[in-house]
Amino acid sequence: DIQMTQSPSSVSASVGDRVTITCRASQGISSWLAWYQQKPGKAPKLLIYAASSLQSGVPSRFSGSGSGTDFTLTISSLQPEDFATYYCQQANSFLMYTFGQGTKLEIK
Amino acid sequence: QVQLQESGPGLVKPSETLSLTCTVSGGSISSYYWSWIRQPAGKGLEWIGRIYTSGSTNYNPSLKSRVTMSVDTSKNQFSLKLSSVTAADTAVYYCARVVRFGELGDAFDIWGQGTMVTVSS
Repeated sequence: DIQMTQSPSSVSASVGDRVTITCRASQGISSWLAWYQQKPGKAPKLLIYAASSLQSGVPSRFSGSGSGTDFTLTISSLQPEDFATYYCQQANSFLMYTFGQGTKLEIK
Repeated sequence: QVQLQESGPGLVKPSETLSLTCTVSGGSISSYYWSWIRQPAGKGLEWIGRIYTSGSTNYNPSLKSRVTMSVDTSKNQFSLKLSSVTAADTAVYYCARVVRFGELGDAFDIWGQGTMVTVSS
C-alpha cells in the first residue's frame, strides 16, 4: 500500500499569512493527488485534484503543486474561513485510495 | 445539484452487521463510482471501498473480508454492509461520489453530511 505522510501535523498562522502544507507519498504517484479541507462537524470539501487543478468554486488563494512523491498545498493569504484540517489523498484509480493523516491549521 | 444522504442505524451491537444506505438526489447515480469513507472521532479519513453502477466493487484490503457494497439504480441508492463489527468500527461514515479525471486520477467531489455509527452493547 502507498502511505501518505503530511507535515506538519498542525500549524498556527495569522490571517493574511502564506501557509504551505506538505504531503509525501511512499512511492511515486505521478500527479494522482487530491487535497481536501474539513471543518469541524462537516464533510471534507475537495479543493485540488490532479495535484494542481483547482476545483470549481474554490478560491484562487489555494494552489497545489508537485509530482512523483512530494506535493504541497499553499494558501497564499489566509482568510478566517480557512482555519480547518487539510488532507491529501492518493488518487490513482488502480490503487487503494489512501489519505494523509491530516494537518490542522489553527489561528495564532 | 447532486446531493448525498446517508441513512441507517446509529447504534450497532458488537459482532453484528452495520448497514448503511446512501441516497443520491438531484442527479443520476449512473456512470459514476461511489465510495464509502469513515472517520473515527478525532482521527483521519479511511477509505472503505467503491462501487460502480454496474455493481463492480473495490475494497480496502484491511476491511475486504467484512465489507459488501451494493447498488440499486432504480432507487438511486448504494449501500454498505460491514460485518462482525467491533468498537473499532465506531466512526462517522460518509458516502461520496468519485469523479474521474482520466489519466489525471480521481477525487471525491461530492460528499454526504456523514452519519455517526456507534458499536456498543
